[in-house]
Amino acid sequence: KNEVEQSPQNLTAQEGEFITINCSYSVGISALHWLQQHPGGGIVSLFMLSSGKKKHGRLIATINIQEKHSSLHITASHPRDSAVYICATNFGNEKLTFGTGTRLTIIP
Amino acid sequence: DAGVTQSPTHLIKTRGQHVTLRCSPISGHKSVSWYQQVLGQGPQFIFQYYEKEERGRGNFPDRFSARQFPNYSSELNVNALLLGDSALYLCASSFRPDYGYTFGSGTRLTVV
Repeated sequence: KNEVEQSPQNLTAQEGEFITINCSYSVGISALHWLQQHPGGGIVSLFMLSSGKKKHGRLIATINIQEKHSSLHITASHPRDSAVYICATNFGNEKLTFGTGTRLTIIP
Repeated sequence: DAGVTQSPTHLIKTRGQHVTLRCSPISGHKSVSWYQQVLGQGPQFIFQYYEKEERGRGNFPDRFSARQFPNYSSELNVNALLLGDSALYLCASSFRPDYGYTFGSGTRLTVV
């Protein structure tokens, strides 16, 4: 069965802390997406990656294809980073399968 | 360059009514997908269109239909609205189905 799992489900941290969110998937994929959703808001695409590492500002995404695992890191976290972070992949078919999401709260 | 544009942003409808949601993809993107996100849950796949043809359909009743126009914009139609159709409806566009996706901000539909 094609599944995407995320951990932790909820994460609360102090402003400035280094954040790591993990994503694992059940079978081989060609690409994985990291998405951000603020409360009541739409989804913003952060990264799509198929190998290695990508960096955008304070956000870093890594993927290990052999281990079927990806991580999203946030450096110098800020309260505005508070959101739900979701990983997703399409397992080579037409629809994205989403992880359950990680609710991140950054306390000032 | 404009992102994925969805309209309207918010909508309130009465049970039994019909609704049409619209999506304009990023220029050059030929694939559009629709997702439903009920409050507190993850997005669920409804449809995908590529080059104006339906490429995939999720587990939704026939009350849900969609189409893609020659300019690659898309409409999602829902007939005989139920309270349970209240959700955020998301559109995502891509150059091809196996490329990265860009999401619109969504249309929040409330059925009363």
